[in-house]
Order: sequence, then C-alpha cells, then structure tokens
Amino acid sequence: QSALTQPASVSGSPGQSITISCTGTSSDVGGYNYVSWYQQHPGKAPKLMIYEVSNRPSGVSNRFSGSKSGNTASLTISGLQAEDEADYYCSSYTSSSTWVFGGGTKLTVL
Amino acid sequence: EVQLVESGGGLVKPGGSLRLSCAASGFTFSSYSMNWVRQAPGKGLEWVSSISSSSSYIYYADSVKGRFTISRDNAKNSLYLQMNSLRAEDTAVYYCARDSGADWGQGTLVTVSS
Repeated sequence: QSALTQPASVSGSPGQSITISCTGTSSDVGGYNYVSWYQQHPGKAPKLMIYEVSNRPSGVSNRFSGSKSGNTASLTISGLQAEDEADYYCSSYTSSSTWVFGGGTKLTVL
Repeated sequence: EVQLVESGGGLVKPGGSLRLSCAASGFTFSSYSMNWVRQAPGKGLEWVSSISSSSSYIYYADSVKGRFTISRDNAKNSLYLQMNSLRAEDTAVYYCARDSGADWGQGTLVTVSS
C-alpha cells in the first residue's frame, strides 16, 4: 500500500493554469478509472473535486479538470484564483480493493 | 443535504481503546459503502478502512489490520470504528467519508499519548 507520488508543491499566478501529477502503478492508477482529486483548505475537511478520473461533482467549477495516461493521473486548474490556494490530494482504488492517497501537493497562488 | 458527524475522539494512553462513531443523514445510508480516513497532524490523508453497504465486504490498511474494526448499523444510520491497542502513530483527525469520497464529515481528533 505505497502512497501515490505527487509533487510536494506547485505555484502559479492568478489567471494561469497549473497541473498536478499523481503517479502510481498498474495496480492502482493505471489499472482502474477510479482516480479522485480532493481539495483541502487548512483546518477543513477534504472536498471532492474530481471523481472517476475526469468527472466533476455538481457545484465544482469547470476550471478544474482531470485526466489520466498510463499510471499517471493529472489535475489541471485553469484561470487560477486566490481561493484555489490549498492542499490537493489524489486517490485511487487498488487491486487489493483498498484505497490509496497521494502524499499531497501544496498549491500556492502567487 | 448530506451530513456526516463524527464523534468519540479524545485523549487515550498507548495500548488503550477508543470507539469512533459517524452519524449520517441526508441520504440513504444503507445504499452506500463507507470509509474511515485519517490525517496525522501536519501530514497527508491516509485511508484506514472501508465497509460495503451490507457489511459483506470489509477492508483495512495494513497499518491498522488486527487492531481496528469497522462496523455499521444501517437501522441507526451510523458507522463505527473500534480502535484497540492504540499507538502514538495513530494520533490523527479521523474522518468518515461516503462512498468514494463524495462527502466527508468534519473529523474527530484522536490523540494517543501518555
């Protein structure tokens, strides 16, 4: 149950686009279309932003999009806004019928 | 509106036990799998355990297997986590989450310290 690999931090200026990667293996990210992305502001519970690789829950801005290629999933945020500054986590279903999270990425809006 | 409210956290000595509860409302609880996820202070999210809608399928992270027990009472719309043989490294905010993470509670803090 090794954690998925995410960059520790990314940054961008308002209006720009950023992409956060999430790398796993063929036993998790690469093997299933059950990758989710969560946003977490300090002291708050995580919020689902993307599910099943590229689907947005109702109410989530279309500035957030997800994709996957092989064992790597990606979250792209376009038109960066100050309120997007938060920690972002990916998660994936695994071949052991468990879930695994990434280590998290701190997004800084410059 | 979906609501998940955790309770039962607190300070416990190493080797002690604690039972967490998660009260669900706003959806048909008996139709969804449920999960416990924890977050140690200043650290990332860690999946702990999952239980299917009818309790037929239960899974645990290796880090808690044999010490934690997940259960649910669909009649009471409640999810539970019995935590035994607690260790310092179990100190975390524990969240309950619906299905594949669609909804989360606000979390309850468990501190294991002498």
